[in-house]
Amino acid sequence: DSGVTQTPKHLITATGQRVTLRCSPRSGDLSVYWYQQSLDQGLQFLIQYYNGEERAKGNILERFSAQQFPDLHSELNLSSLELGDSALYFCASSHDSGNYNEQFFGPGTRLTVL
Amino acid sequence: GNSVTQMEGPVTLSEEAFLTINCTYTATGYPSLFWYVQYPGEGLQLLLKATKADDKGSNKGFEATYRKETTSFHLEKGSVQVSDSAVYFCALSDLRSGYALNFGKGTSLLVTP
Repeated sequence: DSGVTQTPKHLITATGQRVTLRCSPRSGDLSVYWYQQSLDQGLQFLIQYYNGEERAKGNILERFSAQQFPDLHSELNLSSLELGDSALYFCASSHDSGNYNEQFFGPGTRLTVL
Repeated sequence: GNSVTQMEGPVTLSEEAFLTINCTYTATGYPSLFWYVQYPGEGLQLLLKATKADDKGSNKGFEATYRKETTSFHLEKGSVQVSDSAVYFCALSDLRSGYALNFGKGTSLLVTP
């Protein structure tokens, strides 16, 4: 158990809908990262937050957004969903945001868009 | 930009065989290098890491050495077990990416008894 929790575990929805994925980092970790894992794209970095502020952006679509709250949990919002958004979404946390900080991954949320 | 290239899988080995999974990278500057492992139905776990050239990361019998001259970080294990069956991801992070992980496509390993 990494100490990172993600809810829900599974999510099934329809095209055009909007969903919110939630992540609670390990106790004491200030940095949260979101990744998407799909068969065709592999594991891709989406976005990072550090202590409530956006720190880095990767291949995140404009239809997706995220935030980190004062209690450090984070939410990833996916809107106008398309079939191609079906994937496993991972959250990871680390204490800091530097190069030597290990990222601990949650179990993921599997999103299926029908 | 930065990128990581891993050997294509799946790799199938018999128990106690020697394992090598090749990983090469492209990066400007001085990235840190990682191997993560994903067991079926689970999230990723850090297996080992190296933060500078010539560093050797090791854990659970697995090893990898950060070779700047060949831009490589190959994963090795002398004697694999059935329980090592998983998907292995090579990754790098550096300042340019905000220290987010840039992953290779993963190599699936199946170890048979």
